[in-house]
Amino acid sequence: DIQMTQSPASLSASLGETVTIECRASEDIYNGLAWYQQKPGKSPQLLIYNANSLHTGVPSRFSGSGSGTQYSLKINSLQSEDVASYFCQQYYDYPWTFGGGTKLELK
Amino acid sequence: EVQLQQSGPEVGRPGSSVKISCKASGYTFTDYVMNWVKQSPGQGLEWIGWIDPEYGSTDYAEKFKKKATLTADTSSSTAYIQLSSLTSEDTATYFCARHFGVGVMDAWGQGASVTVSS
Repeated sequence: DIQMTQSPASLSASLGETVTIECRASEDIYNGLAWYQQKPGKSPQLLIYNANSLHTGVPSRFSGSGSGTQYSLKINSLQSEDVASYFCQQYYDYPWTFGGGTKLELK
Repeated sequence: EVQLQQSGPEVGRPGSSVKISCKASGYTFTDYVMNWVKQSPGQGLEWIGWIDPEYGSTDYAEKFKKKATLTADTSSSTAYIQLSSLTSEDTATYFCARHFGVGVMDAWGQGASVTVSS
């Protein structure tokens, strides 16, 4: 199985700050990567797919980048509603696997 | 609006089975594959498998092949997951999630909690 390692596991940032979350795959996943946001007590919501494509309705302050085994999610100008956990997921190969998550809090 | 409405919380005894439903609305049920994802308490996410409601075909992660059975009823636009031989490891929240392209999940149910307790 492809292992997905996210960092950091938790992150504290101030409103208006730019935040970056990293995701490393155990092998090349050829941009088969999605990012999800999960707010407390809610279900995950798709943010980014194909490593850098913004899903419909997602604010443009979210962006994804990367290639090969290294990917990142960037949030520009952090808003209070961005407090959540973020997960990466690879879908290049079965079984599809998720990263362990990054919990983002306000400083 | 796409909606996936899951059934309520379940409590099962060790060794028993539970069945969770996921009723789809706002789109043509047979046009999209449905995934199931497990989230253990305070833990990350695990993909269980998918079902193509149009053909009834399924695929499972190896870990869940003996644990989960995915079915779908096209007449009611409802997908199901049955979890068998329950153990404490099955205590978790289970989500249904619609396929968007290959492997991407663009709409999720609200989750259904399963608690295994004697």
